[in-house]
Amino acid sequence: SQELEQSPQSLIVQEGKNLTINCTSSKTLYGLYWYKQKYGEGLIFLMMLQKGGEEKSHEKITAKLDEKKQQSSLHITASQPSHAGIYLCGAEPGSARQLTFGSGTQLTVLP
Amino acid sequence: NAGVMQNPRHLVRRRGQEARLRCSPMKGHSHVYWYRQLPEEGLKFMVYLQKENIIDESGMPKERFSAEFPKEGPSILRIQQVVRGDSAAYFCASSPTPQGAGNQPQHFGDGTRLSIL
Repeated sequence: SQELEQSPQSLIVQEGKNLTINCTSSKTLYGLYWYKQKYGEGLIFLMMLQKGGEEKSHEKITAKLDEKKQQSSLHITASQPSHAGIYLCGAEPGSARQLTFGSGTQLTVLP
Repeated sequence: NAGVMQNPRHLVRRRGQEARLRCSPMKGHSHVYWYRQLPEEGLKFMVYLQKENIIDESGMPKERFSAEFPKEGPSILRIQQVVRGDSAAYFCASSPTPQGAGNQPQHFGDGTRLSIL
């Protein structure tokens, strides 16, 4: 079965700093999804990557999928307190119609 | 366009009772997925349904758990004879096409927090 490992598990940064979260798969990724979860709430879809080498940006968040399609990174530029939350990467395990998730990265942004 | 609606947001049950969790997908979405998030654990897939059909229930516990998505009305996740270990957050997601087809991601509801006394 496919496993996703996220690093770091938690991250505390000062407002205005850049940061990167990584997601590594044990198998080739057919689709990689980034979500954000605030405590006690649901998951908010951020970005979807499907092609090797693909890169997408939205506001101050950039996500990349490496050429081999086994690792993705999420980069936040000039972090703000509103970026705080748990970031989850999810992937489709082959032909299965479901998502497998990493254990998440807890981000705290200090004002 | 309303998002995925789950209710109740919080549900408290005593051991042995039944829990019913409801999920109304986004408008135009006919594919529903249920996930469970246990305390200190990640999000785990439970079941995938289309209208009136269970497509994949590989993540469902073998006993006490069932799910349905009738032609009319919300999808229901039903847990019979609940035990303490069922305490978790249960999330529903929906998509307009099957996951992985048509470049459409799953959109999640805010979840139901189930507590077993």
